[in-house]
Amino acid sequence: NAGVTQTPKFRVLKTGQSMTLLCAQDMNHEYMYWYRQDPGMGLRLIHYSVGEGTTAKGEVPDGYNVSRLKKQNFLLGLESAAPSQTSVYFCASSYSFKAFFGQGTRLTVV
Amino acid sequence: GESVGLHLPTLSVQEGDNSIINCAYSNSASDYFIWYKQESGKGPQFIIDIRSNMDKRQGQRVTVLLNKTVKHLSLQIAATQPGDSAVYFCAENEGSNFNKFYFGSGTKLNVKP
Repeated sequence: NAGVTQTPKFRVLKTGQSMTLLCAQDMNHEYMYWYRQDPGMGLRLIHYSVGEGTTAKGEVPDGYNVSRLKKQNFLLGLESAAPSQTSVYFCASSYSFKAFFGQGTRLTVV
Repeated sequence: GESVGLHLPTLSVQEGDNSIINCAYSNSASDYFIWYKQESGKGPQFIIDIRSNMDKRQGQRVTVLLNKTVKHLSLQIAATQPGDSAVYFCAENEGSNFNKFYFGSGTKLNVKP
């Protein structure tokens, strides 16, 4: 049982480049989330989805877009990367209140 | 947003001792709380949860205490082991929208052999 899988695990981008982070879950959860984690700070919610075809903004949505075309996948896109988006990104899925997290993607924007 | 904070950013304990990690929250409407453990290079892992209608909940070697009067949450780890070394986060949810959790900044637990 893989749980929540994120790809890639590491990435370095130049300012202005774009990329997509992929999250896949095999637990048939309706709810999925993207968080970012910065040093000394807790997890901050970027976007979330309550089901296939739906997305909603979290606390820090600016500069990111998401899509949930399939129930098991939740994509996070950066259209024009900025150094302020250097962070570790975590995807999670949940049923009820219990969330399961992926291993994270370490993104550096230079 | 809500404020969830931790009193101690770093806690060092001797192997075999008990550990207590504290968390303060500010939203009196929060009615569900979770503790997560995050090991280096990994995602947060669920440890234990508690609802606001409870004061205490026990798991395997872990106990969560909730004091709603002072809006304080604590995680107690019995007989701390080297494998318990990690960052511990508390998270709160006000219940009306279970999609949104608010996380504290975390406490790093160092277990000395």
